[in-house]
Amino acid sequence: KNEVEQSPQNLTAQEGEFITINCSYSVGISALHWLQQHPGGGIVSLFMLSSGKKKHGRLIATINIQEKHSSLHITASHPRDSAVYICAFLKTSYDKVIFGPGTSLSVIP
Amino acid sequence: EPEVTQTPSHQVTQMGQEVILRCVPISNHLYFYWYRQILGQKVEFLVSFYNNEISEKSEIFDDQFSVERPDGSNFTLKIRSTKLEDSAMYFCATGGNEQFFGPGTRLTVL
Repeated sequence: KNEVEQSPQNLTAQEGEFITINCSYSVGISALHWLQQHPGGGIVSLFMLSSGKKKHGRLIATINIQEKHSSLHITASHPRDSAVYICAFLKTSYDKVIFGPGTSLSVIP
Repeated sequence: EPEVTQTPSHQVTQMGQEVILRCVPISNHLYFYWYRQILGQKVEFLVSFYNNEISEKSEIFDDQFSVERPDGSNFTLKIRSTKLEDSAMYFCATGGNEQFFGPGTRLTVL
């Protein structure tokens, strides 16, 4: 059984649309990452959160520990947001990161 | 802003050859990790390293693989006798509760 799932698997949006990517996990966690991976392959950490909500520019991440669910929102989406977005977590501090399958986002002008 | 660096960015090797992938962690970090991503698949954990020894390894990390921190700065992943299925992106990460990822090394085994 996968410990972390993401939805949708693939997403195509028009430029300017509000986007939501969801992540559900099945175990207790210490912290959750949202990561971005562009076609070149590098991984960029967007957020690390263990409770509540964080905002950075047009990106917002929320987490509900009780429901074991996190969401990543992108406001006013832009073609440069096209990438794979990965939900990942640590069960305990200093533990390995467990990665979700990723959501492939394509924003069309 | 401090960052994790990896070299080389792309390595092409013949099957059966040994490769060494290098990572320079952020200077005050003490925990180090290697992950890999086979094309089209999700990122998976290989090994974690702390205090000059392996703290955890996955089933993937068999005797073909080894890690070390030879000079107190570089953190290396050695793959002996590479196989075709070792072709993947290899990511180094350092930190702890928040991990910082390097840009990756794309390994192609021919």
